[in-house]
Amino acid sequence: DAGVIQSPRHEVTEMGQEVTLRCKPISGHDYLFWYRQTMMRGLELLIYFNNNVPIDDSGMPEDRFSAKMPNASFSTLKIQPSEPRDSAVYFCASSSLGRDTEAFFGQGTRLTVV
Amino acid sequence: GENVEQHPSTLSVQEGDSAVIKCTYSDSASNYFPWYKQELGKGPQLIIDIRSNVGEKKDQRIAVTLNKTAKHFSLHITETQPEDSAVYFCAANGGSYIPTFGRGTSLIVHP
Repeated sequence: DAGVIQSPRHEVTEMGQEVTLRCKPISGHDYLFWYRQTMMRGLELLIYFNNNVPIDDSGMPEDRFSAKMPNASFSTLKIQPSEPRDSAVYFCASSSLGRDTEAFFGQGTRLTVV
Repeated sequence: GENVEQHPSTLSVQEGDSAVIKCTYSDSASNYFPWYKQELGKGPQLIIDIRSNVGEKKDQRIAVTLNKTAKHFSLHITETQPEDSAVYFCAANGGSYIPTFGRGTSLIVHP
């Protein structure tokens, strides 16, 4: 398996624009996580899905953030409208069973909002 | 929810020395404690984990210890090498069984 695949690797956008980050989890994994990494706050869990269903989105910072998982092999994280403070590295991770097991991370998307 | 504290935030050692990173957690329901290594430009990758029924686990030059009574666990790296330079994260799964990460430790190994 190629691992968790995220796209794009880098995204530069202007404030106010819509940004969509994409993730393909490892085949067979039933948990998918979206994390945000910043110097100030470290690794923050934004939302996670189990069997394509959002379970906990309490980490989503604002209504400007939304996430979907239309099928077992694809998820998106959308920011609309984007703001400079959204600049961060966004990671997608997947795991099998979720609890007590390793989470496999993608390479991340570095988002810069200017 | 779970709260994980990690220290130090930065650790600088000479090649060949040992490095120790310490974490504490708050939720007594936590029973799984993974450690991840993040190299520059990459996502975190699991290097070792420990479950609550074990006090210590070793894998070559790395070892983890767990004290459930005190709610703390540590990562030990012996005979450090320059390629060990990276950011290390501890995590605990808490009552929700989803990992909560510490803030990370930037380890720098000087040749």
